[in-house]
Amino acid sequence: DIQMTQSPSSVSASVGDTVTITCRASQDITNWLAWYQQKPGKAPKLLIYAASSLHSGVPSRFSGSGSGTEFTLTISSLQTEDFATYYCQQSYSFPQGFGGGTKVEIK
Amino acid sequence: EVQLVESGGDLVQPGRSLRLSCAASGFTFGDYAMHWVRQAPGKGLEWVSGINWNSGTIGYADSVRGRFTISRDNAKNSLYLQMNSLRAEDTALYYCIKDKDWGSFSAFDIWGQGTMVSVSS
Repeated sequence: DIQMTQSPSSVSASVGDTVTITCRASQDITNWLAWYQQKPGKAPKLLIYAASSLHSGVPSRFSGSGSGTEFTLTISSLQTEDFATYYCQQSYSFPQGFGGGTKVEIK
Repeated sequence: EVQLVESGGDLVQPGRSLRLSCAASGFTFGDYAMHWVRQAPGKGLEWVSGINWNSGTIGYADSVRGRFTISRDNAKNSLYLQMNSLRAEDTALYYCIKDKDWGSFSAFDIWGQGTMVSVSS
């Protein structure tokens, strides 16, 4: 099974900062990688698919990059509504899996 | 409006069974793969199972393989999860999810609001 490892598990940042989250896959998943945002009490929302494609309606301050085994989610100019937990997910093969999550907190 | 509505969650004793249902609307259900993802209280997301558009490809997490069965009825726009031999560690909010791309597995673009399963004696 492919293991997904996210880092850091939490990060404190201020409005306007740039935040970078890393996701590593235990084997090559080419670009079969998605990123999600989850706020407390709500279902997750898709941000990025195919490693770097921005989902419809998602602000352009969110961007994804990477391929193979290492991927990053970058949030530029952090806004108050961006404080949430972020997850990566591989869809290369079954069983599909998520990273452990990264909580972005207000500094 | 694209919508997924889960039902069937309940409080059950360990070893018992439960069947979750998901009613889909607002899109051509039979064209898309579907999934179940769960989230234990205060924990992260765990993919449980996925099924392609014609039920020809099905996958399970190691933690549920042999106990859970995913199925779909395209005529009824419905997804199901039969859960047998339930354990305390199956306690979670279960989400029904639509895959983003027509005819393949890619990313999860539509999520339901979830149905809660609690396993306790």
